Amino acid sequence: AQSVTQLDSQVPVFEEAPVELRCNYSSSVSVYLFWYVQYPNQGLQLLLKYLSGSTLVKGINGFEAEFNKSQTSFHLRKPSVHISDTAEYFCAVSDRQKLVFGQGTRLTINP
Amino acid sequence: DVKVTQSSRYLVKRTGEKVFLECVQDMDHENMFWYRQDPGLGLRLIYFSYDVKMKEKGDIPEGYSVSREKKERFSLILESASTNQTSMYLCASSLAGVWTQYFGPGTRLLVL
Repeated sequence: AQSVTQLDSQVPVFEEAPVELRCNYSSSVSVYLFWYVQYPNQGLQLLLKYLSGSTLVKGINGFEAEFNKSQTSFHLRKPSVHISDTAEYFCAVSDRQKLVFGQGTRLTINP
Repeated sequence: DVKVTQSSRYLVKRTGEKVFLECVQDMDHENMFWYRQDPGLGLRLIYFSYDVKMKEKGDIPEGYSVSREKKERFSLILESASTNQTSMYLCASSLAGVWTQYFGPGTRLLVL
């Protein structure tokens, strides 16, 4: 079975600084990869996904992620964060007919 | 826009009560999922369903059951609530063969 590890449980950054949220998955077989965001008191919404093609995937709100098959990683990046990016971010990987989620990374933006 | 609604945002129940959490989606999705979310553990799959009257166990089904009598509705049942079932419960849906899941706002359940 697949597993996902999000290497940081919390990431504090200053506003307008760049950020990288790290995600590693367990398997080298073909997978689909996702990043979801959860704003306070809300459900999850899709930020971006990798299904095939270009390894650099662009999502909503200026986020992007790079699929690295040799490193089994799918790190999320944003060049300049805003206060409104404060949220919890979840990486997920396909596993047969379902998704397996990581533990989540709480992104805190300081002014 | 896909809309997934959950019957309650907050729920307080007593130990031993039978609890029903309802989820409804309006986009004719075949697949529906129930997760629980706990700090530091992420989302864990409880049950899922690919069709009406069909269900599959997820990673943590113990203490839970589900019902899917209509395509748009997927219910999670706690037969006898316990304090260790205090959690945030999230419902999601997706089209058959499509990986992207759409989530409801969640139900925060407190069992006293």
